[in-house]
Amino acid sequence: DGGITQSPKYLFRKEGQNVTLSCEQNLNHDAMYWYRQDPGQGLRLIYYSQIVNDFQKGDIAEGYSVSREKKESFPLTVTSAQKNPTAFYLCASSIGATSGSPSYEQYFGPGTRLTVT
Amino acid sequence: GIQVEQSPPDLILQEGANSTLRCNFSDSVNNLQWFHQNPWGQLINLFYIPSGTKQNGRLSATTVATERYSLLYISSSQTTDSGVYFCAVERRTSYDKVIFGPGTSLSVIP
Repeated sequence: DGGITQSPKYLFRKEGQNVTLSCEQNLNHDAMYWYRQDPGQGLRLIYYSQIVNDFQKGDIAEGYSVSREKKESFPLTVTSAQKNPTAFYLCASSIGATSGSPSYEQYFGPGTRLTVT
Repeated sequence: GIQVEQSPPDLILQEGANSTLRCNFSDSVNNLQWFHQNPWGQLINLFYIPSGTKQNGRLSATTVATERYSLLYISSSQTTDSGVYFCAVERRTSYDKVIFGPGTSLSVIP
């Protein structure tokens, strides 16, 4: 059953702690993305990765870090430097540009709701 | 950068009614995607449509790339259609590969 999984669904942390959100895909997609969604708002791009061992900052990368050591995994760390970390975080993937039939059609995971108090 | 607008921002429909949602974008795009975000937050792909018209059941979408807009039609709406509808445009010439609009919040009441 192919798809994108994010865990956990809900996450609670104390202010000042780093926290890592998991994103795994078995779609064999090259590109992966992290978005942040605040209540009543659209999606904003945090980081994206077109290929293993490479990633670029999106619009709101400050206070976040990522790694892409494996094709199927793209974890996001929310650091203590992120001033307003409470939000809904969505991970997505797409075939990307490196295959013979490039496509940026995005498929999303179920999301992780992070609450920091 | 490219701007994406959606209208209306909010819409309330009686079950069975039809509706049209609009997405305008300020520059040329390589592709456009429509999503439905259900009340649990899951984003579901509806259409990936650079131009022309596609249909899937009660939903259809039309993109007129030369005039920089796309329309999503929902016919015979059901309560399960409630949620937020986003359009997202794709540009391969800048790092902003996919840019989301602010969404249309739809409530279908029985």
